Amino acid sequence: NAGVMQNPRHLVRRRGQEARLRCSPMKGHSHVYWYRQLPEEGLKFMVYLQKENIIDESGMPKERFSAEFPKEGPSILRIQQVVRGDSAAYFCASSPNRDTGYTFGSGTRLTVV
Amino acid sequence: GENVEQHPSTLSVQEGDSAVIKCTYSDSASNYFPWYKQELGKRPQLIIDIRSNVGEKKDQRIAVTLNKTAKHFSLHITETQPEDSAVYFCAASSDFGNEKLTFGTGTRLTIIP
Repeated sequence: NAGVMQNPRHLVRRRGQEARLRCSPMKGHSHVYWYRQLPEEGLKFMVYLQKENIIDESGMPKERFSAEFPKEGPSILRIQQVVRGDSAAYFCASSPNRDTGYTFGSGTRLTVV
Repeated sequence: GENVEQHPSTLSVQEGDSAVIKCTYSDSASNYFPWYKQELGKRPQLIIDIRSNVGEKKDQRIAVTLNKTAKHFSLHITETQPEDSAVYFCAASSDFGNEKLTFGTGTRLTIIP
């Protein structure tokens, strides 16, 4: 089992561009979570998805951010018109059900210049 | 919503001694409390978790205690080793399961050889 795979590991975008972050959950895991971590801070919940459904997006900024987890393929976190404040590490995690601890991916470090 | 406070923010311990990290939470409905270890530039890794129907859980040198009345939980690491040096995060979930974790701000643990 390859674990939770995130790509790219590092992403540099200019202000105003779009950022697409990908997450492939562990085999057999149908629950996906996205968290954001600013430098020297804890992780902040963004969104929880199951296949083709957004279950809880209460941590997502109302504008510019969206997430999906299609029937086929990885989960995508999309940030439109990035700003400097979007620079952070974005971690994806997966679990097989609601009662099992997460496994995190290695994260995508987004830098907006 | 849930609020998790974590103390101390930094902790230095002589190798072989014990380390204790404490967290408090605000939502009495919280029922799941995991601890994560994050080494520099790497993904958070689940090291131990506890549910609200249990007061204590132990796994080799690591133990977690939970006081539901006082709404606090603690991580105990005994016989510390240099490889225990990392940032440790506590978290709490006020949902039924683990859908949305609220993380503490982290404790940077340094083991002094």
